[in-house]
Amino acid sequence: GAVVSQHPSWVICKSGTSVKIECRSLDFQATTMFWYRQFPKQSLMLMATSNEGSKATYEQGVEKDKFLINHASLTLSTLTVTSAHPEDSSFYICSASVDKNYGYTFGSGTRLTVV
Amino acid sequence: DAKTTQPTSMDCAEGRAANLPCNHSTISGNEYVYWYRQIHSQGPQYIIHGLKNNETNEMASLIITEDRKSSTLILPHATLRDTAVYYCIVRTANFGNEKLTFGTGTRLTIIP
Repeated sequence: GAVVSQHPSWVICKSGTSVKIECRSLDFQATTMFWYRQFPKQSLMLMATSNEGSKATYEQGVEKDKFLINHASLTLSTLTVTSAHPEDSSFYICSASVDKNYGYTFGSGTRLTVV
Repeated sequence: DAKTTQPTSMDCAEGRAANLPCNHSTISGNEYVYWYRQIHSQGPQYIIHGLKNNETNEMASLIITEDRKSSTLILPHATLRDTAVYYCIVRTANFGNEKLTFGTGTRLTIIP
């Protein structure tokens, strides 16, 4: 089945540094990928829609200059958290649409801890 | 996407059928019902989806009422590994740039 690989699984970084999270579609091409954030005991909140070869579309309230998204190929989207602060600590998850028979598939998530 | 309503939590005995309800009274004619689940600290996992007819796969069955205003996900023989948060989502089948919006889901706990 369609697989989305997300790396790293977890990362700890110092305040003020930047962290890059990768999301790859392994056996299919994804023109569109989605980035979610999930705080403890809460549901997934969509941050942005990543479009191959064009600018990402951000949800209301998400700072596009802080959460940089690049979707340079049909199999790779990256999310960079710039100048990270402790309040950015969260579980970040990417997703891609496959087809109407399979739906959407999700990465395994990245737990970011900013200290 | 149409809004869905699910119970916050449910318990089910191991080996019994787990029946998870979802209300989607404002669903449109071209919107499908999708079910995903999320096991702790993992990405959501696709379970099943349907439009009008009942559906069954190796994981679960989906029962959609005739008026399509509600549905039930059935895990026929629940195991401890089925403990997770289950999300019911309705959306069109226009794949590509259409996003999935998650509600609060149902936290299902399988009791030994």
